[in-house]
Order: sequence, then structure tokens, then C-alpha cells
Amino acid sequence: DGGITQSPKYLFRKEGQNVTLSCEQNLNHDAMYWYRQDPGQGLRLIYYSQIVNDFQKGDIAEGYSVSREKKESFPLTVTSAQKNPTAFYLCASKWIAGEAGELFFGEGSRLTVL
Amino acid sequence: GQNIDQPTEMTATEGAIVQINCTYQTSGFNGLFWYQQHAGEAPTFLSYNVLDGLEEKGRFSSFLSRSKGYSYLLLKELQMKDSASYLCAVINSNYQLIWGAGTKLIIKP
Repeated sequence: DGGITQSPKYLFRKEGQNVTLSCEQNLNHDAMYWYRQDPGQGLRLIYYSQIVNDFQKGDIAEGYSVSREKKESFPLTVTSAQKNPTAFYLCASKWIAGEAGELFFGEGSRLTVL
Repeated sequence: GQNIDQPTEMTATEGAIVQINCTYQTSGFNGLFWYQQHAGEAPTFLSYNVLDGLEEKGRFSSFLSRSKGYSYLLLKELQMKDSASYLCAVINSNYQLIWGAGTKLIIKP
């Protein structure tokens, strides 16, 4: 079955540690996205990638980093510079970035900072 | 700025009908999405409107008025499994997705 796989589903981090969230898709989509979701707020875009080896900052990129070395993979690193990292993180993809296509989501990763 | 407004929470009774409204102000418009999201899970696609009018899909319908910057999602014959958050999102002229905060729908027996 085609889809998007995020791991881990739950992650606990101590302050000062970097953590990496995995996102893999087998839908052959060019565009991939990372969103952050907090209670009472809409999805906020962290980073997106339109094609392999290329990515752009979203609205809240500070304290995060990404890479896109393969079409299928778009990992997100939450660095110690991110002041308030506890949140639900969603990875998504679609066929092409600059068009009005449906966005497909992974199951999400919940990060808690202890 | 760009913003999307939805009610924070709504309550309805099993078997009834509920309408969730969404108003938007964005820089351009290339379509509007509705997604359903159960607690702790990924959003799933419900509908996409780009032209004015009503799109019906089973128990769910979505309406769009571009001149009024307004959409609604209509859910009929409500079931307990419809308890979820409903997210409205607009694609602006730069093909960026602007998200509303979501409407939490509570279904009571």
C-alpha cells in the first residue's frame, strides 16, 4: 500500500538534545512538507521541499533543519535551538508543489521535551 | 494578513445535521480543502472546492462562495465516529496552503 510513514510515533527528549523525526513516502511524490500542530492553532509550515536536494523554509523554520537526499525521504531535525519543541509533527506530500493537489499526511510524531 | 476563521467547537446529536462554517481572507484563491482529523491522528482529505456551489459526497457536502470568502461543510445523519476536528484550508495565489485552527465537533448520543 502506498503512503507516508513517520517514526517514531512518540518521542521524549531532554532539553539541549537534538532529535530527528523520520518521514518516508512511497507515493512517488515530488513535494514534501513538515508541519507543526499545537492545540488551538492551525497547521504551521516548518519546511518544504519541491524536489530532491532542494528545500525552503516555511513560516517557523527557526530551530529546525531538514535534508532531501532521496525523493522518498524528508527527515526533520529538531535542534536544541528550538525554544518550545513539544508539539505534534506532521509530514505530508503531494505530486507537485506549485499546484492545487491533495495533500497526503503521515500518522504524525508527538515530541515531548522533559 | 491572511486568515481563516472557523468556530472552535460545535456540539451535535447523533442522527442530526451539522454545518461547519469557514470564512477566509487570503492573497488570491486557488481552491479550498476540508480535512477530517481524529484526535492524535493524521488529517484525512474530505473535499476540494474551487468553483462556487455545492459538492456532495455521501453524507458530507461542501459549499463554496468565492465572492463572500465563505465555505461550509455539511454533515448529515451524524454518527459517533464523526466526532473529530474539521480543518479548513485555502490555497492562495502562490499555491501556499493557509490553515484554519480547526473545529472540534462533539457528537452526543
